Parts: sequence; C-alpha cells; structure tokens
Amino acid sequence: GNSVTQMEGPVTLSEEAFLTINCTYTATGYPSLFWYVQYPGEGLQLLLKATKADDKGSNKGFEATYRKETTSFHLEKGSVQVSDSAVYFCALTDNYGQNFVFGPGTRLSVLP
Amino acid sequence: GAVVSQHPSRVICKSGTSVKIECRSLDFQATTMFWYRQFPKKSLMLMATSNEGSKATYEQGVEKDKFLINHASLTLSTLTVTSAHPEDSSFYICSAATGLAGVYNEQFFGPGTRLTVL
Repeated sequence: GNSVTQMEGPVTLSEEAFLTINCTYTATGYPSLFWYVQYPGEGLQLLLKATKADDKGSNKGFEATYRKETTSFHLEKGSVQVSDSAVYFCALTDNYGQNFVFGPGTRLSVLP
Repeated sequence: GAVVSQHPSRVICKSGTSVKIECRSLDFQATTMFWYRQFPKKSLMLMATSNEGSKATYEQGVEKDKFLINHASLTLSTLTVTSAHPEDSSFYICSAATGLAGVYNEQFFGPGTRLTVL
C-alpha cells in the first residue's frame, strides 16, 4: 500500500536558519502530495500541496517540489522564525483523493 | 478556504460515560467525512470514513460498537465514543471532503477535540 516516510526529529534550529525536512513516499499511480502543519493544541492546517510531478507548492516562505524520479517532496524554508515551531506532516492521497496517508510528523523547534 | 469546525474542542468525562463529538463543514457540503485519532506525539490514524446517508467504513482494528459514527447530513458528522475508558483519551480530528462518486477534492481538517477520560 501507499506510505510516507519523513525524518522524525525533533529538529531544533536557531532563528533565521535554513530548514529542510525530508519526505519520501511509496505510491502507485499519480498521488497528490501535501505538507500539513500542526501548532500546539490545534488541528492540522494545509501548508502547501502539489498534484503532479515537478509541481512546486509554496506558502509562507515554505516550498516543496514534487519529484517523481526520487519519490520525494522535501519541505524547505530559507529562514525560519520562532513562530514556525510546530509539527509538520507530509501526506499523500491516491489518484482519486482517497486513502489519505500521513507520515509520522516532524517536530520543529526554533530558538530565538 | 473551506472551514470545518468541531465541537467540543475539549471534553473531560468519567469512565463509563458516552461522549459525542460533532464535525461540521461550515461553508460547503461534504460528501465524505473522515475521523482520525492522534496519540501524543504521534501521527494521525484514520479511524473511519463516512458518507452522508450511509454506514461508515471502519479501518481494521477500530471497534464499530465503540466508536459510533453518524453522517446524517452533508454538513454534519458525529462520532460517539461509547462507554469511554481512560485508554480512549486522545485527540480526535475530523476532515471533510467534496467530490463526486468517490473522487475527492481536497480534504479540510477540523481543529480537533481533545478527549480526557478519568
């Protein structure tokens, strides 16, 4: 079946550091790929998504590119802020938007 | 974007009681709603998928009689945890999807409900 693997962290960075959270997936067909963010005590918020190969999703300074050849969707941000501290989930759905599969989540802590 | 609400946001109950959690799509009609459970510092686990007007489809290992799901309208689904026990304490998150004939558009997530069973 489909699966998502991501670095589990925790990841601790200083403010303004560069962030990369790796995500790789296993899926048949043409999945859509997502990054969700969960702030403490809250539900999930969609951060960005990409629906086909070579698409780049971007939002709030975060970016991720759908790489079919490496089955990856790594999340990057050039300069993190303390307010970015949260748990980040990589996820995918299959061709029909069904079978939402989440990675284990990566906890990010940004220190001032 | 589309908004999904959950009520209550937090609930504390005694062991043996039942708790109902509501999930509403506020500005769109959701053909399908999903219920997830999240353990502390863990990822989301899909519990069940519910389509309006039909019985929910439960994931393997999820007790149907324990977690009753009702999807009476295109904007409301409820999860009832029956005879709750401390091990049912968790963060429950719903999501709602639009789409036709099983082809979904994006899923929109609710803010979650934290259940604590004493």
